[in-house]
Amino acid sequence: GAGVSQSPRYKVTKRGQDVALRCDPISGHVSLYWYRQALGQGPEFLTYFNYEAQQDKSGLPNDRFSAERPEGSISTLTIQRTEQRDSAMYRCASSGGTGPHYEQYFGPGTRLTVT
Amino acid sequence: KNEVEQSPQNLTAQEGEFITINCSYSVGISALHWLQQHPGGGIVSLFMLSSGKKKHGRLIATINIQEKHSSLHITASHPRDSAVYICAVSGSSGAGSYQLTFGKGTKLSVIP
Repeated sequence: GAGVSQSPRYKVTKRGQDVALRCDPISGHVSLYWYRQALGQGPEFLTYFNYEAQQDKSGLPNDRFSAERPEGSISTLTIQRTEQRDSAMYRCASSGGTGPHYEQYFGPGTRLTVT
Repeated sequence: KNEVEQSPQNLTAQEGEFITINCSYSVGISALHWLQQHPGGGIVSLFMLSSGKKKHGRLIATINIQEKHSSLHITASHPRDSAVYICAVSGSSGAGSYQLTFGKGTKLSVIP
């Protein structure tokens, strides 16, 4: 079946612009995670959804970052007034259950470059 | 917050060699994940374990909960094993139980 998909795969934007990154999880997966990965580093947690409820947004760096999952399926990560330091790979992952013992399936990521 | 350390950071091996990548963490966990990041950037889950040992093909993962340490072994390494291997842990309770904390990864290059 289809895996996790993300769009766009690459996004170049000018500083100050808003961007919206989309994640399409595996069908039926209840949990959805957003991570950010800087070059040469491991991913860092941003936020987590259980169905449509945003259970944890403690990893979002500041209030320019927001995420939603209104119908418990597709999720959008929005970055307002982008800055060069926001440049990174943004990954989402989904899992079939809630909690630590469910495998997470990762999407291909969106490479964001802010110029 | 859990600190996840991997060693080595970079590893070059000859084809056929036995490879070990290590991961240690600082705080008790619910589960530990080994992930493979391909040169193209995609991430694939290899193992999830909370105790003992798991084997899949030429890959073996072990974990020692008391010592807060896990190892990933690759037997009879092959150039197609070249990738970045990432260790990630989920906390033992509450919010931390679903958040993954990642190591920086071990870049493996297997030379023919």
